[in-house]
Amino acid sequence: SYELTQPPSVSVSPGQTASITCSGDKLGNKYASWYQQKPGQSPILVIYQDSKRPSGIPERFSGSNSGNTATLTISGTQAMDEADYYCQSWDSGTVVFGGGTKLTVL
Amino acid sequence: EVQLVESGGGLVQPGRSLRLSCAASGYTFEDYAMHWVRQAPGKGLEWVSGISWNSGSIGYGDSVKGRFTISRDNARNSLYLQMNSLRVEDTAFYYCVKGRSAAYYYGMDVWGQGTPVTVSS
Repeated sequence: SYELTQPPSVSVSPGQTASITCSGDKLGNKYASWYQQKPGQSPILVIYQDSKRPSGIPERFSGSNSGNTATLTISGTQAMDEADYYCQSWDSGTVVFGGGTKLTVL
Repeated sequence: EVQLVESGGGLVQPGRSLRLSCAASGYTFEDYAMHWVRQAPGKGLEWVSGISWNSGSIGYGDSVKGRFTISRDNARNSLYLQMNSLRVEDTAFYYCVKGRSAAYYYGMDVWGQGTPVTVSS
């Protein structure tokens, strides 16, 4: 079955750029989405179709997808961005999530 | 505003059944695919099942295939998940999630608040 791999944790200083990767076989040939989940809350969509932002998502969130890796980039990271982030794609009729990355802003 | 409200969760013994429901509002329900996604305590997200706008295309995660059945009633703006032969490892928060398009493989956007399911003797 298809798998997406994310680093368990990423740390970033306030105001700096955070990058969270998501790796899967030929992922660049599929669409990737990203979800943010804060403790005790439901996930929200922050990036879809590799690089598109839903309305209401700040411009500091961006995405890319090429080769075997999709990347979520948060520019000028703020304390409020501290959360778990999950990538998601699709393969052979199955929706797949990555294991999640805990972003710490310190 | 899109709203998804799950119900039907609770405590159930292993081997028993449970049916989850999701009431959708704020958009044209019949135009979009729907999903169930679960999250075990302290764990990540796991896709359970997805259904296209007209129920013509349905998919399941490997861990629930053959035990769970997804369905929808477009006239009632409702999504369902029939869960049979429940196992301890099915214990999780179950989220109802709106698809981004008519086909379920185009991902998802709006999530409900979830309903807890605990499988224990």
